[in-house]
Amino acid sequence: GEDVEQSLFLSVREGDSSVINCTYTDSSSTYLYWYKQEPGAGLQLLTYIFSNMDMKQDQRLTVLLNKKDKHLSLRIADTQTGDSAIYFCAEYTGNTGKLIFGQGTTLQVKP
Amino acid sequence: SAVISQKPSRDICQRGTSLTIQCQVDSQVTMMFWYRQQPGQSLTLIATANQGSEATYESGFVIDKFPISRPNLTFSTLTVSNMSPEDSSIYLCSVGVVTGAGGELFFGEGSRLTVL
Repeated sequence: GEDVEQSLFLSVREGDSSVINCTYTDSSSTYLYWYKQEPGAGLQLLTYIFSNMDMKQDQRLTVLLNKKDKHLSLRIADTQTGDSAIYFCAEYTGNTGKLIFGQGTTLQVKP
Repeated sequence: SAVISQKPSRDICQRGTSLTIQCQVDSQVTMMFWYRQQPGQSLTLIATANQGSEATYESGFVIDKFPISRPNLTFSTLTVSNMSPEDSSIYLCSVGVVTGAGGELFFGEGSRLTVL
């Protein structure tokens, strides 16, 4: 079945890089997404990667995809206190529009 | 993109009562979904709201407990019926929009329900 796993917590110092990891099981996933949820707010799409790509860079964000190992990571360069949030990875398969979400990784950025 | 408004944003409810959550989108969308996020948990899809027909429910969710309406392409409601403390969650409306990436989900701010 479909399953997405993430580590639950990550703490970094301001200015350091953060790497949030995610593994998934469905090899037919076509798109993989990273969403950000700030306290008390809804989900906001950060970035996505198509399954035939290995890497995607978008300003401070770098997404790496290892399709063989079904491993996805999100790297945030020069992490700021405003990056403190819960980060969800999600996989999308088929044409239903449904996403399967991981448990979310809480990123704590210390000044 | 799509802008989604949900209300209420939060509520405190008594056990045994029902509450209806409204979701309004600023544009016509085909795909509309309702998710639940229990405390400290990930998002779980409750159902796909279908315009003009009955919603499609995921395993573990039933129409009697979570009736859904979708009268048009911009509006949907989710009712949480006969609530118990286990229903305390954030309920999120989302819409799927076809993009160059194949598809993107936009989310409302969520409705945080606390059942006493």
